[in-house]
Amino acid sequence: DQQVKQNSPSLSVQEGRISILNCDYTNSMFDYFLWYKKYPAEGPTFLISISSIKDKNEDGRFTVFLNKSAKHLSLHIVPSQPGDSAVYFCAASGSDMRFGAGTRLTVKP
Amino acid sequence: DGGITQSPKYLFRKEGQNVTLSCEQNLNHDAMYWYRQDPGQGLRLIYYSQIVNDFQKGDIAEGYSVSREKKESFPLTVTSAQKNPTAFYLCASGAVSWTEREKLFFGSGTQLSVL
Repeated sequence: DQQVKQNSPSLSVQEGRISILNCDYTNSMFDYFLWYKKYPAEGPTFLISISSIKDKNEDGRFTVFLNKSAKHLSLHIVPSQPGDSAVYFCAASGSDMRFGAGTRLTVKP
Repeated sequence: DGGITQSPKYLFRKEGQNVTLSCEQNLNHDAMYWYRQDPGQGLRLIYYSQIVNDFQKGDIAEGYSVSREKKESFPLTVTSAQKNPTAFYLCASGAVSWTEREKLFFGSGTQLSVL
């Protein structure tokens, strides 16, 4: 039972352009959402989060948008840089924390 | 440097053998977690512990066992009862339970394979 879904296993964008990573969830009890970034052979590291009382949270080049009615969140990276190439996990927290399968982002120079 | 350390990086298990994965943190975190990652799937929770000498089963605890004798350490044993142990195992810690809306800090993982 996948309560958190990242339907795009991979995404490729050009350096300088916007990267948009999407995440859908099914459990309306989730009220806190996080994005983690993972490089090969390393553990995931926290990137940005958003509470369900907000619809947007910004941190430098990274912005997370939350659409509660659609049970959808997205991560925008502007401008994208080659160093952003990694796997991005979406996570949702309520009584426990659930993770999506991840999206591999490749930023081409 | 504060952090969370997993060892070994790679581990091989023979049929019928129990193996133990190590996880140590010096972040003074109360909560620790074990996740399993399979290709194309999200991280699935195996066990978690919010305090020393206490731990709870996650979604896929069968075939695994843990202990939490010290705040800093949360070892995971993959027993012979786990029929499909090949996966990437991630340990994480947090200041408090995830219900308190704290981010998790992850180790670099252990890749377990069956010989």
